[in-house]
Formats: sequence, structure tokens, C-alpha cells
Amino acid sequence: EIVMTQSPATLSVSPGERATLSCRASQSVSSNLGWYQQKPGQAPRLLIYDASTRATAIPARFSGSGSGTEFTLTISSLQSEDFAVYYCQQYNNWPRTFGQGTKVEIK
Amino acid sequence: QVQLVQSGAEVKKPGASVKVSCKASEYTFTDYYMEWVRQAPGQGLEWMGRMNPKNGDTNYAQKFQDRVTMTRDTSFTTAYIELSRLRSDDTAVYYCARTLITSGGVIGVFDYWGQGTLVTVSS
Repeated sequence: EIVMTQSPATLSVSPGERATLSCRASQSVSSNLGWYQQKPGQAPRLLIYDASTRATAIPARFSGSGSGTEFTLTISSLQSEDFAVYYCQQYNNWPRTFGQGTKVEIK
Repeated sequence: QVQLVQSGAEVKKPGASVKVSCKASEYTFTDYYMEWVRQAPGQGLEWMGRMNPKNGDTNYAQKFQDRVTMTRDTSFTTAYIELSRLRSDDTAVYYCARTLITSGGVIGVFDYWGQGTLVTVSS
């Protein structure tokens, strides 16, 4: 199965600053990569699919890039509601696999 | 507004089975795959499998192949997951989630999620 590795595990950022999260696949997943946000006690929320397409109603400050094995989620200017855990997920192969998550915390 | 509403928390003993339901509303149930994802306490997300509600076809993660069954009742627009021979490491929140469909077709990400069902396995 494809192993997804996210870095860093924790990212400390001040409100208004830029956050850059990384996701690496153990083999190419083309552009079949999604990103989710999860807050404590809540289900995940889809942010990005096809590596760079924002899901419905997702603010423009969230952007995704990459293809193959290297991907990035960028939050251009962190708002208070953006402090959460972020997961990447590949859907190029079965089984679908997720990264272990990056926690974005307030600096 | 699309909704997926799951059944309540369960406590089971090791070796038992558990069945969780997921009631879908405000969309055509048979038009979208239903997926199941679980999350152990303080851990990440783990995909378990998916079902096509139109015909009942399933695709299970190999890890769960011999213990999981996904079914549906189209009359009640409800999907089910049953996990047998429970172990303590099956303690987790179990989510149902709908597969995204765009003009380009089925996309293997999940756009709507249930609220989650906590299954606790303890003797």
C-alpha cells in the first residue's frame, strides 16, 4: 500500500502568518491527492482534491500544489478557525491511505 | 443540505460484533459510493472500504477483508458496517462518508461525513 508521510508533525504559526504543510507519497499518486481539516471532536472536512482544486465553500486562502510524490498545502494567512489537524489522502491506488496528520497550533 | 446521521455509541466485549448505521438524506442515496473510515483515539484516519449503494458491490481494505461487511437498505437510505471478532485495538470512532462526484466523474475523496460513532471494545 502507498504510505503517506506528512511533515512537520506540528507547526506553530502566529495568526496572519503563512503555513506550509508537506505530504509525501511512497510512490507516485499522480494528482490524486486530497487534503482535509479536522478539529477536535469533529469529522474531517474536505479542503482540496485533485491536488489543487478547492472543494465547495473552501476559502481562497487554502491552496494545494504538487504532483507525483510531493505535495503542499498552503494557508496564506492563518485565521483563528484554521488551527486544527490537517491530513492528506491519496486515491490513486487501493487501499486509500492517509498521512498521519500535521497539527497547526497557535504560536 | 446533505446529511449523514450515524447510530449511537457502542460498548462491546472482545470477540463480539458491532453494526453501525449511517442514514443518508437530501441526496439520491444510490448515486454516490459510501465509504467507511475509522479513527482510533488520538490517532489518524484509516480507510476501511466502500460500497456502491446501487448494487451492493463492495471494496474492502485487505486488513479488514475477513471481518468487515458493508450493506445497505435502499428503502431506508441507510448504509451499515458490521465488524466482527472485535479486539481492543478496534476501539475507535467510525465514520461513514460520501464519495465526491464532479463533472469529471467519481473522485476518491469524501465530501460529506457522518458525525462518527464511538465503538469501545473492552472486557
